[in-house]
Amino acid sequence: DGGITQSPKYLFRKEGQNVTLSCEQNLNHDAMYWYRQDPGQGLRLIYYSQIVNDFQKGDIAEGYSVSREKKESFPLTVTSAQKNPTAFYLCASSIRGGERAFFGQGTRLTVV
Amino acid sequence: KQEVTQIPAALSVPEGENLVLNCSFTDSAIYNLQWFRQDPGKGLTSLLLIQSSQREQTSGRLNASLDKSSGRSTLYIAASQPGDSATYLCADGKDNNAGNMLTFGGGTRLMVKP
Repeated sequence: DGGITQSPKYLFRKEGQNVTLSCEQNLNHDAMYWYRQDPGQGLRLIYYSQIVNDFQKGDIAEGYSVSREKKESFPLTVTSAQKNPTAFYLCASSIRGGERAFFGQGTRLTVV
Repeated sequence: KQEVTQIPAALSVPEGENLVLNCSFTDSAIYNLQWFRQDPGKGLTSLLLIQSSQREQTSGRLNASLDKSSGRSTLYIAASQPGDSATYLCADGKDNNAGNMLTFGGGTRLMVKP
């Protein structure tokens, strides 16, 4: 089955902790993206990567970090510097050049 | 900066109605326009993608149109069913030589009543 897998589905973070969200795809897509969705709002771009070992900041990158060591994996770390991390996080991928975007099922992060 | 607006924010219709969801964007230099469906607590499912050179795309009961000159796209749903209840998001893509960057609207929450 081809697709994008995000884990975990739910994640709880204590104040001051760093947490890492996993995103894996087996679609052989070059491009991968992380979005954040707040209640009743559209998606905002956090980071994106077009090729292995390269990534760019999106509109709201502060307090987040990523890596792209393998084509199929694009993990997102929410650091303690992110002051309002509670949100729904979505990972996506697409073939480079603007083809259809495919999304994972999301990770809901809550600060406790 | 590109802005994408969806109106209405919420819509409730009886089953069987044909309906139109609207999406407007401020910069006509788009690469493509995508429509997505999102069920509560789930990820996005791609419905239709219209390239900038195209005017419309159809899939089953769904038809999406694109008018770049007016900065508008519409999603037409024919003979709506309760299973169509979801949030519908549009996103326009711009090719900035680093891939297709999507800007999303806030979505239209649709409820189809039996």
